[in-house]
Amino acid sequence: DGGITQSPKYLFRKEGQNVTLSCEQNLNHDAMYWYRQDPGQGLRLIYYSQIVNDFQKGDIAEGYSVSREKKESFPLTVTSAQKNPTAFYLCASSIRADLLGGYTFGSGTRLTVV
Amino acid sequence: AQTVTQSQPEMSVQEAETVTLSCTYDTSESDYYLFWYKQPPSRQMILVIRQEAYKQQNATENRFSVNFQKAAKSFSLKISDSQLGDAAMYFCAYRGRWGGSEKLVFGKGTKLTVNP
Repeated sequence: DGGITQSPKYLFRKEGQNVTLSCEQNLNHDAMYWYRQDPGQGLRLIYYSQIVNDFQKGDIAEGYSVSREKKESFPLTVTSAQKNPTAFYLCASSIRADLLGGYTFGSGTRLTVV
Repeated sequence: AQTVTQSQPEMSVQEAETVTLSCTYDTSESDYYLFWYKQPPSRQMILVIRQEAYKQQNATENRFSVNFQKAAKSFSLKISDSQLGDAAMYFCAYRGRWGGSEKLVFGKGTKLTVNP
């Protein structure tokens, strides 16, 4: 079955460390997204990518980095520059031309700084 | 920039009753797309219903329907015959057809509790 896989489901990071969240899709979607979810804040866009080897900053990109070397993969690195990284992270994908299609979401990664 | 506002942080409904969740948005575009997503305790985001702005007819999906008021920039979700499984966070989202078409803009969500 096609879908989006995020791993790991839970991740613990020590302060000062970088950590990478994985997002893989086999839907042949061209666009991929990373959102951060905090209580009472809804979903806030971190980065998105419309095509391979290209990505754009979202509303809260500071302290994060991404790459899009393959169509199927869009990993997110949370760097030590991110001051408050504890949150729930959602990856999503979509077909660029299908605006009514919305997103397909992964099951999320819960990141906790210890 | 487009914004989406959900003015009800929390709502509750009795099982089998009807509840309406509010959503308003701000845009200067005439053509766009609107969505409601459900996030149950599992935190998996599920698309509930979607609407194209140029279609005046309100979208329906089984027990879920919307009241789309384009002039008022309002897109409320009505859940009929509420079930315990409807308990979740509900997010309203906007996507432009031209400007901002590359991404969804989400509201902050409404937490729906269903009482037995």
